[in-house]
Amino acid sequence: AQKITQTQPGMFVQEKEAVTLDCTYDTSDQSYGLFWYKQPSSGEMIFLIYQGSYDEQNATEGRYSLNFQKARKSANLVISASQLGDSAMYFCAMREGGGGSYIPTFGRGTSLIVHP
Amino acid sequence: NAGVTQTPKFRILKIGQSMTLQCTQDMNHNYMYWYRQDPGMGLKLIYYSVGAGITDKGEVPNGYNVSRSTTEDFPLRLELAAPSQTSVYFCASSGGDREGNGYTFGSGTRLTVV
Repeated sequence: AQKITQTQPGMFVQEKEAVTLDCTYDTSDQSYGLFWYKQPSSGEMIFLIYQGSYDEQNATEGRYSLNFQKARKSANLVISASQLGDSAMYFCAMREGGGGSYIPTFGRGTSLIVHP
Repeated sequence: NAGVTQTPKFRILKIGQSMTLQCTQDMNHNYMYWYRQDPGMGLKLIYYSVGAGITDKGEVPNGYNVSRSTTEDFPLRLELAAPSQTSVYFCASSGGDREGNGYTFGSGTRLTVV
């Protein structure tokens, strides 16, 4: 079974609108971390936001927020007020608790296109 | 503030050739990782290291080797290149428990094996 599932291969949004990118995860660990990365067409991986499994509040970073629903094992990324520069691939990742190796596992990604 | 530096950015190899992808970080991170990214497949872990002198296999280690003689450097060696190794390779590092800072990635190496 996949540890990270991103069910939306592609998403389209109008500029200035909000968009939600879905991510569900599978783990039996109590301690884990969830991450979102942006990969523009230039190819670099840009860290956006982090949520720890014990964090009670949803993480926010500027226009990015993480809708963390622990019981449903979902960690959706919400981008508010989309900009043309938000067009990119977005990857959800999870670090599980064991072993101390802090290894992140990545989903397959969602391609976001922002229309003017 | 260089972060993670990968070289080269692009390389074309012939089948059977060997090469080393270089990765250096200047953040004193203990944890380093090598991933490959194939189209539509996300990132797959090749090897990782939790500190100098300690390395371990990831999900797709066949055809690769690594070493970690210093905290800063984590080179990835490809022996006897095959077309299946055509991919984009990313090196990443982490300070471990300071996860709020995320994992820092290099800019990637695009490798083509012909």
